[in-house]
Amino acid sequence: DTVLTQSPALAVSPGERVTISCRASESVSTGMHWYQQKPGQQPKLLIYGASNLESGVPARFSGSGSGTDFTLTIDPVEADDTATYFCQQSWNDPTFGGGTKLELK
Amino acid sequence: EVQLVETGGGLVQPGRSLKLSCVASGFTFSSYWMYWIRQAPGKGLEWVSSINTDGGSTYYPDSVKGRFTISRDNAENTVYLQMNSLRSEDTATYYCAKDRAGSGFAYWGQGTLVTVSS
Repeated sequence: DTVLTQSPALAVSPGERVTISCRASESVSTGMHWYQQKPGQQPKLLIYGASNLESGVPARFSGSGSGTDFTLTIDPVEADDTATYFCQQSWNDPTFGGGTKLELK
Repeated sequence: EVQLVETGGGLVQPGRSLKLSCVASGFTFSSYWMYWIRQAPGKGLEWVSSINTDGGSTYYPDSVKGRFTISRDNAENTVYLQMNSLRSEDTATYYCAKDRAGSGFAYWGQGTLVTVSS
């Protein structure tokens, strides 16, 4: 299985720029996607194919990377961005990262 | 508008069985692979199963292989998850999901909670 590793938590102030990282245990090319999940809700797709913004998602969100190292960037962060962010690879059988909980100061 | 509605969750004793259903609408169901993904309380997401368009190919992680069976009825726009020999570690919210040809899971149901406990 392809293991995806994310840092568990981050805290930033509104208006700042935040980067959330995801490292894969083997290359997944650009088969990496990012989701936002708020408590009690289903995950929401933000970025697909490593860097493509899903329709309807604010342009404050962007993604980059290929191979094993990927980044989700939110710039600027807003209060409504408080959530847990998951990466997911589709190069092999789907696997998810453990999630990064984003809190606002 | 794509809609996925899961039903069938509930409280079940260890070792027993449960069958989940997901009714889809708003797209040509028979043209898409379908997936089940679960999330234990307070935990991350885990892919549980996949099924191809005609139901002829199915896939599972080792954690559920041999216990869970995914199937679909294209005439009824429904995908199922038969869960046998349930364990406490199967306690989770189970989501039905649809992707776009490897471009991530763009559509999710609201989830159905399965609790395995005596």
